[in-house]
Amino acid sequence: DIQMTQSPSSLSASVGDRVTITCRASQGISNYLAWYQQKPGKVPKLLIYAASTLQSGVPSRFSGSGSGTDFTLTISSLQPEDVATYYCQKYNSAPLTFGQGTKVEIK
Amino acid sequence: QVQLVQSGAEVKKPGASVMVSCKTSGYTFTSYGIIWVRQAPGQGLEWMGWISAYNGNTNYAQKLQGRVTMTTDTSTSTAYMELRSLRSDDTAVYYCARLRSQSIAAAANYWGQGTLVTVSS
Repeated sequence: DIQMTQSPSSLSASVGDRVTITCRASQGISNYLAWYQQKPGKVPKLLIYAASTLQSGVPSRFSGSGSGTDFTLTISSLQPEDVATYYCQKYNSAPLTFGQGTKVEIK
Repeated sequence: QVQLVQSGAEVKKPGASVMVSCKTSGYTFTSYGIIWVRQAPGQGLEWMGWISAYNGNTNYAQKLQGRVTMTTDTSTSTAYMELRSLRSDDTAVYYCARLRSQSIAAAANYWGQGTLVTVSS
């Protein structure tokens, strides 16, 4: 099975900072990559699919890039409401594995 | 508007079975696939499996093969997940989620509110 590895596991940044989270697949998955945001005690929310397509209603400060094995989620200007854990997920074929998550906090 | 409403919290003893329902509305049920995802306390998201609401085809996580069954009832636009031979490490919040297409190769853009299943003697 393809493994999904996120880095870092957690980060702390200031409001307004640019934040980048990386997700690496152990084998190529083309652009079949989604990013989800899960705020504390809440349901996961789709942010980006097809590696770089912003889900409707998601603020434009979120962006995704990558193809093959290396992907990034970028928050261009971190806001207090972005405190959450972020997960990548591959969906090219089963199993639809999630990364282990990246917890984002405000410094 | 699209909604997925899950059944309520359950407490089960080890060895028992649990069935979680996911009643959908606001879209054509048979046009989209559904996945089930669980999250143990303080842990990350774990994909459990996929079901086609069109024809009932399924694909389960290997670690759950033989213990999990996913089904749908097209007459009520409801998906079900049954997990048998429960163990303490099955304690988790269980989510259903609708995919962006019928295919398994799609992201999940609508989620149920989650169902807490607690396994304890």
